[in-house]
Amino acid sequence: QVQLRESGPGLVKPSQTLSLTCTVSGGSISSGGYYWSWIRQHPGKGLEWIGYIYSTGNTYYNPSLKSRIIVSVDTSKNQFFLRLTSVTAADTAVYYCARRGVDSPHFAYWGQGTLVTVSS
Amino acid sequence: SYVLTQPPSVSVAPGQTARITCGGDNIGEKSVQWYQQKPGQAPVLVVYDDSDRPSGIPERISGSTSGNTATLAITWVESGDEADYFCQVWDSASGHYVFGSGTKVTVL
Repeated sequence: QVQLRESGPGLVKPSQTLSLTCTVSGGSISSGGYYWSWIRQHPGKGLEWIGYIYSTGNTYYNPSLKSRIIVSVDTSKNQFFLRLTSVTAADTAVYYCARRGVDSPHFAYWGQGTLVTVSS
Repeated sequence: SYVLTQPPSVSVAPGQTARITCGGDNIGEKSVQWYQQKPGQAPVLVVYDDSDRPSGIPERISGSTSGNTATLAITWVESGDEADYFCQVWDSASGHYVFGSGTKVTVL
């Protein structure tokens, strides 16, 4: 059973860069067949897809966030990463990492989520 | 951009059927997913590809689509079904995933 776990600072100052890590266990990112994704949920709100990465490093981003996002992967550590630049209070949210299959547009596995607050 | 519309809340008595709708332009032509989210927890996939269930999801939960509406039905509702439910599609025109705003199911 694949498991995902997010980690990173819970507090980021405005204008700085939010950096999160998703550690995958029970399955290898390098084996292919899956897109590794980031999704966020503003407090009390719905879900917003941020972007995903394939094991080869190919990425696909939400057009509304594309200018501020970098998603990367380290297959040797079985981890993938999110960097979101120039954050504001509007980026305060619970950030989830998740996995979807290449041939199936659904997110079958999710991390437990990590709350990131943007505040000075 | 593509918009999915869900009612904010649905209330249902135990043992009855809860129906949660998700409206979108020609949603019947897309693959629709449904997620259940309980307070403080990550979403859980309960229906994918309109009507398929992942292993471990009870048959009481089912999905369907027709025209501009997708529906998640939960029969024989019990207190453990209280949660927020989100629908989701991939919108090829805008190039990203779209989620509905969520429906809170309350068991009376």
